[in-house]
Order: sequence, then C-alpha cells, then structure tokens
Amino acid sequence: QKEVEQDPGPLSVPEGAIVSLNCTYSNSAFQYFMWYRQYSRKGPELLMYTYSSGNKEDGRFTAQVDKSSKYISLFIRDSQPSDSATYLCAMIPNAGGTSYGKLTFGQGTILTVHP
Amino acid sequence: GAVVSQHPSRVICKSGTSVKIECRSLDFQATTMFWYRQFPKQSLMLMATSNEGSKATYEQGVEKDKFLINHASLTLSTLTVTSAHPEDSSFYICSAPPSVGGETQYFGPGTRLLVL
Repeated sequence: QKEVEQDPGPLSVPEGAIVSLNCTYSNSAFQYFMWYRQYSRKGPELLMYTYSSGNKEDGRFTAQVDKSSKYISLFIRDSQPSDSATYLCAMIPNAGGTSYGKLTFGQGTILTVHP
Repeated sequence: GAVVSQHPSRVICKSGTSVKIECRSLDFQATTMFWYRQFPKQSLMLMATSNEGSKATYEQGVEKDKFLINHASLTLSTLTVTSAHPEDSSFYICSAPPSVGGETQYFGPGTRLLVL
C-alpha cells in the first residue's frame, strides 16, 4: 500500500464547476499538508499549505485536512480553463529530524477544465 | 514566492556520457536542496537530499555513484548523471525550502533528460 493515495483521474469538468480533489494517507505521523499544481513539462507550483486538521482558504482554493480520517481535499471554485493541470498532494511528518524536507507525494490528478 | 532555477531545461545525450544539471536558489539561501525524478504520468520520487558543506544523503535504491550530487554553495546544487543509459531518461526536478526549518518546498522548472 502506498503511503499516499490519490486518484489519477483524468477529471474533466466544465468551466465554472466546483472541483474536488482528494488524497488519503496511511502514515499518522504526517503533520504538514500541501497541494501543488504542475503544468505539463514544468516544475510543481505550491498552491496551498496547511498544518494539522482544519480548513484554509485562498481565493478560489480551499484546502481541508481531516487527520482523524487521514483525508485531505482541495476545492477549486469557479474553475477556469487555466486551472487545467496536474494537482499533486504532498505531505511531511514534521519540520525537522531525519524527515526534514522529505515530501511524500500522491500520484497526481490530471484536471481539464473545458470552456 | 521564492524562485528556484534549473539548467539546462532539456538535454539529449548519447548512452554512456555524463550529464550535469544545475539547481539554483535565486533569491534565498538554501543549505538543503532536494532532487526528485518524475517518470511520465507518475508522481515525483525523492532521489536525494543535497547538503551544503557535507555529503548528500540518498534514498533507498538510488545509486550514489551514478547520481553525483555536489552542493557547492548556499545557492547552487548540481546533479551529475554519470554514464547515462536510456533508462535514466526522465524529468529531474530540484527543490529547496525558502527558510531554515521550513516545511514548504519551492521547485525548479525541471530538466528533461533523454538518453539515446
């Protein structure tokens, strides 16, 4: 079993739709959770960063973390064609120690928003 | 946000040659940088941690003699793929935390390596 599971999709939605992207994980030590957006042939771009359980909103993006269920989500409101990309969840146990900086990624979900 | 650059963006080489990829933090200092590899339609896999002033640490299954890492300064790490073979063809991406102890990572644009 992978440490982080993410449905690779592909996911296709019409412009304006609400998009829900999800990841589950098995390692209860994960404390920090991130969402990255990766356009084709480019490096990942940090979208959202959350610590522990709860919600965080930034513009059209909302990140949710439910540590009790080991489940994280990213919601995109009013989706745009420019949101078409691969979305990667990533997580890390703690800020220091031997796991410092070692992100564990989900497989990534390919999203297409069509006009 | 913090900027990380990579050079070259794309390289094609013959089997058996060595290829050097540079990763630079442009507006911050990074005592630690990370190198990832990404195969088509797959996620990023951490290869190694590059430490300024000390040896790199490699993830299980990554050959340290094949993937040489040198963290020459607080803004530069290099990855050299030695005696490259077609199976080394991949997308190589570096990342760095913008602050000491920071949990977030900023990624470079990646280097696409094709070994013929």
